Amino acid sequence: EAGVVQSPRYKIIEKKQPVAFWCNPISGHNTLYWYLQNLGQGPELLIRYENEEAVDDSQLPKDRFSAERLKGVDSTLKIQPAELGDSAVYLCASSRGQGLYNEQFFGPGTRLTVL
Amino acid sequence: KQEVTQIPAALSVPEGENLVLNCSFTDSAIYNLQWFRQDPGKGLTSLLLIQSSQREQTSGRLNASLDKSSGRSTLYIAASQPGDSATYLCAVQMSTGANNLFFGTGTRLTVIP
Repeated sequence: EAGVVQSPRYKIIEKKQPVAFWCNPISGHNTLYWYLQNLGQGPELLIRYENEEAVDDSQLPKDRFSAERLKGVDSTLKIQPAELGDSAVYLCASSRGQGLYNEQFFGPGTRLTVL
Repeated sequence: KQEVTQIPAALSVPEGENLVLNCSFTDSAIYNLQWFRQDPGKGLTSLLLIQSSQREQTSGRLNASLDKSSGRSTLYIAASQPGDSATYLCAVQMSTGANNLFFGTGTRLTVIP
C-alpha cells in the first residue's frame, strides 16, 4: 500500500512569489491534514478535511494561505504571496476517518525556503 | 490549549546505552499519546501509540509509558544503536473538541558509534 505522497519535496522561491504544494493521501482515507513544521518545532495543524469539506481551518492564515480538496482525494495548499517567515516544512497526513482513534499517517513533507 | 513539552531538546549517547526521553502535557483529557520518529528531511513515522486507558506499550527495544493523571510519558530505548539517531516527537490526541493532535518540540537523539 502506497503511503502519503507529497510533491515537490523541496521548493525555493523568492518572497512575494506564489507557491503550491500537492498531497495524495492513502487510498480510502477520508480525512486529510496539512501541518506546518518550523525548524526545531513540532508540527502544528493548519487545516483538516473530511472528504472535500474543510472542517477545521482555524489555524490557517487566510490572508495568504488557501487550500482545496475538490474531489475529496488529493489536496493542494497554496501560499500567495510567500513571506520570509513561511520557510518551513509543510506536512500532509491522512487517516481513515475523523474522531477518536484515527491514526494519522504522514507524508515526507515539502521543505519550503523563501529568499 | 494543550501544551506538550519534551525534555531534553537534544541528547547524545554512546552506542549500547539505555536512554529515556520525556514528554509532559498540561491537559490530561487525552484519548491517546503517540511517539513518532522523524529522520532529517523525512516525514513522521509512528513508533508507539498508547491509549489513555493503558500504562505502557512495547515494540522491540522501545517501551513507552503513560501516566495520564500526572501528564507524563516516557520513551525508553534499550541498547541504543547509531540507526536510532533521529528526532523523537510525542503527540497527544485530545478526547474533546476536534480530537486534534498536539505535538511536542521533539528530542534530537544522536547515538555515537
